[in-house]
This record gives sequence, C-alpha cells and structure tokens, in this order.
Amino acid sequence: DAKTTQPPSMDCAEGRAANLPCNHSTISGNEYVYWYRQIHSQGPQYIIHGLKNNETNEMASLIITEDRKSSTLILPHATLRDTAVYYCIAYMFLNFGNEKLTFGTGTRLTIIP
Amino acid sequence: DGGITQSPKYLFRKEGQNVTLSCEQNLNHDAMYWYRQDPGQGLRLIYYSQIVNDFQKGDIAEGYSVSREKKESFPLTVTSAQKNPTAFYLCASRQGAMNTGELFFGEGSRLTVL
Repeated sequence: DAKTTQPPSMDCAEGRAANLPCNHSTISGNEYVYWYRQIHSQGPQYIIHGLKNNETNEMASLIITEDRKSSTLILPHATLRDTAVYYCIAYMFLNFGNEKLTFGTGTRLTIIP
Repeated sequence: DGGITQSPKYLFRKEGQNVTLSCEQNLNHDAMYWYRQDPGQGLRLIYYSQIVNDFQKGDIAEGYSVSREKKESFPLTVTSAQKNPTAFYLCASRQGAMNTGELFFGEGSRLTVL
C-alpha cells in the first residue's frame, strides 16, 4: 500500500469549511483513497473513499487530483463535534486473505468556537 | 442495531497474566481485524481473519493469539509473552467479499498492565 503524508495538526473555525490535505504521490492505479476519523478514545469512523472521481456523501467531500498524487477531504460546515484525528489511507484489495489497511498518525483537526 | 461490540472497555492485569479481549459483530461480515493503538500513534495491525477457522498475522502479532471459530466472534488473547501490552485495542470488521468497503470499528478496549 502506498504511504500517505498528512500534516500533524490543523485548526478550523466553527461553521467554516475544513480542508484536510493528504499526499499519496506513490499511489498505484488500483489503490483507493480512504478517509477515517477518530474522536478521542473511540473507534475510528469511516468517512468517505474514492478512486479517481471526486466523491460526496452526507458527511464530506473528497477531491482527488487528476494525477491522483494528492487529495483533500472537505467538511463543508465544521462543528465542534468534528474535532478528531483524521486518517488518510491508500488501499488496494490484492486478493482474498492478503489485504489490510494501514493507518498512519493522521491529522489532528481542532474546531475553534 | 448492527455493530461491533468489544468487551471489556477497561481492563487491568498483572504482569505475567494472559487476558482475552472479546469482539462480537452482528453485521454478517466475513473479515475481522485487531489493531493496537499507542498514545499519539496510528493503528497497527495485530491479526486479521477473512473467513471462519482462518486468520493471518499482521505487523505486530508476537505475544498475541486469536481464534475464529464463529463468523461473528474474533477474540484476542494478550499473552504474558507480549512485552508491552498496555495499549488501546480496536476490533474491526468489513464485508470481505468486496474489493472495497468501509471498516466498522468497535469502541475499543483499554488494557493496562500493573
């Protein structure tokens, strides 16, 4: 799986859009970009994933550059409950019984009132 | 509601004792995982299982053991051979037949060795 690089921390004002960058310059053509978040002392929560096209769901939007070397997770209207560590993961299913997701250290996002 | 249940939430153990962490899911997922998380660090994979009666070592399997006798259950035993067992342990599952798909996590078990 490709290595991802994220800033260790970011702040965002409540009500504004939070834009979290992720670099995955060595990503292969079959690897998906996944985003999870972890609120303190809880299990990580799935947010969104994508391959090439931009994706949007009820939680967030995912913008993937055309060369797929980086992506941005967008939380459109950040609230205090969005304060968490956000993990960006590049992942590809190889074959049954040989796949795993590797979580790095993520970005600690703090929403400022 | 469907989900993953881990127990106990907090556990204390003395050095030299084995301890078993429970993980149960009612999502009918094929694949289950155990991760370890240390303060300020990301998740590291201990073991995973794609089907019943089969499991694979992850990146840090030494000192741990698992079993997968039932689809819904994937208990983790932290043995006395694990040198530094104090950590936050997370169980996860996903539908293994898909080549993509989100991981569902439990709320975690925090183990402290006294």
